Amino acid sequence: KQEVTQIPAALSVPEGENLVLNCSFTDSAIYNLQWFRQDPGKGLTSLLLIQSSQREQTSGRLNASLDKSSGRSTLYIAASQPGDSATYLCAVIYNQGGKLIFGQGTELSVKP
Amino acid sequence: DTAVSQTPKYLVTQMGNDKSIKCEQNLGHDTMYWYKQDSKKFLKIMFSYNNKELIINETVPNRFSPKSPDKAHLNLHINSLELGDSAVYFCASRTSGGANEQFFGPGTRLTVL
Repeated sequence: KQEVTQIPAALSVPEGENLVLNCSFTDSAIYNLQWFRQDPGKGLTSLLLIQSSQREQTSGRLNASLDKSSGRSTLYIAASQPGDSATYLCAVIYNQGGKLIFGQGTELSVKP
Repeated sequence: DTAVSQTPKYLVTQMGNDKSIKCEQNLGHDTMYWYKQDSKKFLKIMFSYNNKELIINETVPNRFSPKSPDKAHLNLHINSLELGDSAVYFCASRTSGGANEQFFGPGTRLTVL
């Protein structure tokens, strides 16, 4: 069964800290992996997409890495800010045009 | 210049009613999706259409019927609403070609009383 797990479920850090969110998937034959952000009561915002042939992607203070062989991805957030507080979702897709399979998300709170 | 839009944003209705949620994307994408986010915030695929053709149909009750009048629109009609249908429904579309990146609408919060 293809499943995605995110650890931790919730994380609270002081402003300015660097942090890592973890995502693991049971079937390593992914097509790509996408990280999203969801603010309370809002839709999903795509943060980074890593294709299966790539090892990492960067956007501003965000860096996502992918290790297909071990079935893991990490989202690194540098110099966290209160505005980063949200739920972060990891999702994988196994074929072009297919469905995203989501993890349960990590709820991040950055305290001023 | 909203990329993926949904209407309505909130929908409150009684059990047994029939309701529709509309979705439109102006990104020129060929493939659109409906996802359901339950009370525990878990997101799961319901349907996918590619250029008006159904390509993914998960184990969703047949009270749910998607309709795609053209590739920019994917509507969701729900018959005989039940309490368990209360959730947030998200529409998404994806880029064509290799990246397969999906973009989501703002969601429709459905509450069945």
